Amino acid sequence: AQSVTQPDIHITVSEGASLELRCNYSYGATPYLFWYVQSPGQGLQLLLKYFSGDTLVQGIKGFEAEFKRSQSSFNLRKPSVHWSDAAEYFCAVGATGGGNKLTFGTGTQLKVEL
Amino acid sequence: SAVISQKPSRDICQRGTSLTIQCQVDSQVTMMFWYRQQPGQSLTLIATANQGSEATYESGFVIDKFPISRPNLTFSTLTVSNMSPEDSSIYLCSVDLAPTWDEQFFGPGTRLTVL
Repeated sequence: AQSVTQPDIHITVSEGASLELRCNYSYGATPYLFWYVQSPGQGLQLLLKYFSGDTLVQGIKGFEAEFKRSQSSFNLRKPSVHWSDAAEYFCAVGATGGGNKLTFGTGTQLKVEL
Repeated sequence: SAVISQKPSRDICQRGTSLTIQCQVDSQVTMMFWYRQQPGQSLTLIATANQGSEATYESGFVIDKFPISRPNLTFSTLTVSNMSPEDSSIYLCSVDLAPTWDEQFFGPGTRLTVL
C-alpha cells in the first residue's frame, strides 16, 4: 500500500523568504502526486499535480514541486512567501489501479511572520 | 472543474444520535469519495460512493457506522450513526471528474462536534 510522509509538522518563515515543504512517498510504481492547501475554514485546493513527464511541475500561486524518483520525494517550493500563504499543506499520492483513491500525508502547518 | 456544496456546514450533536451529511455537485461525476479529518490530523478516506451500488469502504470503516447513499451522479449522503465524541471531525466529500486519474475537487467540509 502507498504511504506519504511529511516530516515537518510546523514551519515558520518570514514573509519574502523562500519555502520548501518536504514530502516523501512510498509506492511500488510511478505514483500520481499532489499538493493541496487548506486554509482555515476552507476546503482543500489543489496547488499542483504530477502524473508523468517533466519532473518540475508548476502550480498556482507561484508554487512548484519537483519529483525525484531516486529520493521518492515530491517537495513543494516557493521562492518568496506571502503572508496569505499561511495555511496547512498536504501532500498526497494516488495509486494506479486503486480506484482513484488518495492517501494523504499528515500535513505541514505553515506560519508566515511579517 | 466542479463546484461542491455540503450541508450542513457544521453541527453539534448529542452522543448516540445520527447525522446525515449531504454532498451536491454541479455536474455529473463518476467518482465520489468521503473523507474524515479528525482534529489536528490528516484526511482519511472513509469510502468510495458508487452510483447504483453499495459504497466501497476502507479498512476500519463499516457500513453500519457510516452508511452512504449515491442515488444519482450529482448527489451523495454520508450518515454518521450512533455518534460518540470520537466521531468529532470534519467530513469532506470529493469528486473526480475523470474515470482515469485526475485531480479531486473537495467540498468545504462539515464540521461535526459530538458532545
